Amino acid sequence: AQSVAQPEDQVNVAEGNPLTVKCTYSVSGNPYLFWYVQYPNRGLQFLLKYITGDNLVKGSYGFEAEFNKSQTSFHLKKPSALVSDSALYFCAVRVKNAGNNRKLIWGLGTSLAVNP
Amino acid sequence: GAVVSQHPSWVICKSGTSVKIECRSLDFQATTMFWYRQFPKQSLMLMATSNEGSKATYEQGVEKDKFLINHASLTLSTLTVTSAHPEDSSFYICSARFSDTQYFGPGTRLTVL
Repeated sequence: AQSVAQPEDQVNVAEGNPLTVKCTYSVSGNPYLFWYVQYPNRGLQFLLKYITGDNLVKGSYGFEAEFNKSQTSFHLKKPSALVSDSALYFCAVRVKNAGNNRKLIWGLGTSLAVNP
Repeated sequence: GAVVSQHPSWVICKSGTSVKIECRSLDFQATTMFWYRQFPKQSLMLMATSNEGSKATYEQGVEKDKFLINHASLTLSTLTVTSAHPEDSSFYICSARFSDTQYFGPGTRLTVL
């Protein structure tokens, strides 16, 4: 079955330290992978995506993610965390359903807390 | 670019009434829009995929007669929750696809009394 896993419900990191939010996936074919961030009571904001090309993808707000095909992972990273990065982060992978429509399958989300 | 708006941002209604939520792509045309539901501290649940000019495709377990979706133009999709009940209270989020990426609206908080 096609799925996305975010193994950590919560990640805590001190401000200024590097952060990693993990994501692994299981899909057939070449994956289209996405990271989104959600602030309280808000919709999701697109951070970055991997479709093809360089395995290291750079996105908004200084975030980046590395596509690792052998480990089927797409971990989100930032060299130096800010308190304002505290939010809920979702990993998603694009799949096609039975009607050949493209849709996203979502991880359960990881709550990132950056401590001052 | 790629901005999606939703209206209203929050709504409170009485049980048995219907509520309409609008989703607009402000600076791009969206052939495909999506409607999600999110419960507190949970991930997003896709309710339906809305294609302009055709019937929406509903996910398994979502009642199409209760959650009416209309996508009459390339910039507007609407979700109508018919005969709303307290269990329909939730955070509803729409998204629109542009260049292989889904862009999300700010969400609508629905509370049914």
